[in-house]
Amino acid sequence: DIQLTQSPSSLSASVGDRVTITCRASQRINSYVNWYQQKAGQAPKLLVSAASILQRGVPSRFSGGGGSGTDFTLTISSLQPEDVGTYSCQQSYTSPLTFGGGTKVEIK
Amino acid sequence: QVQLVQSGAEVKKPGSSVKVSCKASGGSFSKFGISWVRQAPGQGLEWIGGIIPIFGTINYPQKFQDRVTITADESTSTAYMDLSSLRSEDTAVYYCASGGAVAGTWYFDSWGQGTLVTVSS
Repeated sequence: DIQLTQSPSSLSASVGDRVTITCRASQRINSYVNWYQQKAGQAPKLLVSAASILQRGVPSRFSGGGGSGTDFTLTISSLQPEDVGTYSCQQSYTSPLTFGGGTKVEIK
Repeated sequence: QVQLVQSGAEVKKPGSSVKVSCKASGGSFSKFGISWVRQAPGQGLEWIGGIIPIFGTINYPQKFQDRVTITADESTSTAYMDLSSLRSEDTAVYYCASGGAVAGTWYFDSWGQGTLVTVSS
């Protein structure tokens, strides 16, 4: 199975800060990675698909990157209070689909 | 985008089985697939199987192959997840999810509201 390792596991940043979350795959997965945001008590919400395609309605301060095939990033260019939650990456390069362990984002 | 509505919370004894339903509107399972993802308290997301059209047939992780059965009834637009031999570690919120493909990637853009399954003696 492909393992996805996210870092950091949690972070605390100020409003307006630039925040970057990393997802490292245990093998090359091309760009077959998606990013989700999950707020407390809610289902996950898709933010980015295929490593860099921002979903309709998602604020442009969110962006996905990564071209090495193993290392991917989710960046929030200017952190807002409503961005508090847990962010998870997911690969669909091969079955079984797997998720990263999640990164909890808080406001300082 | 498909809308998904799940059945209510369940409390089960260890060793028993649970069946959770997920009713879809606005799309077919053959096109949008249906998967089940669970989240134990304070833990990350875990895919426990599903119909992923780009992969073909129903897929299960090896970890769940002997205990999970996922079915989909297109006539009623309802999918089911049956988990047997329940143990305390199966206590989690279970989500159904559907989605699509872009650039070869399968994503989940529709999620049910979640069903809490509690396994306790």
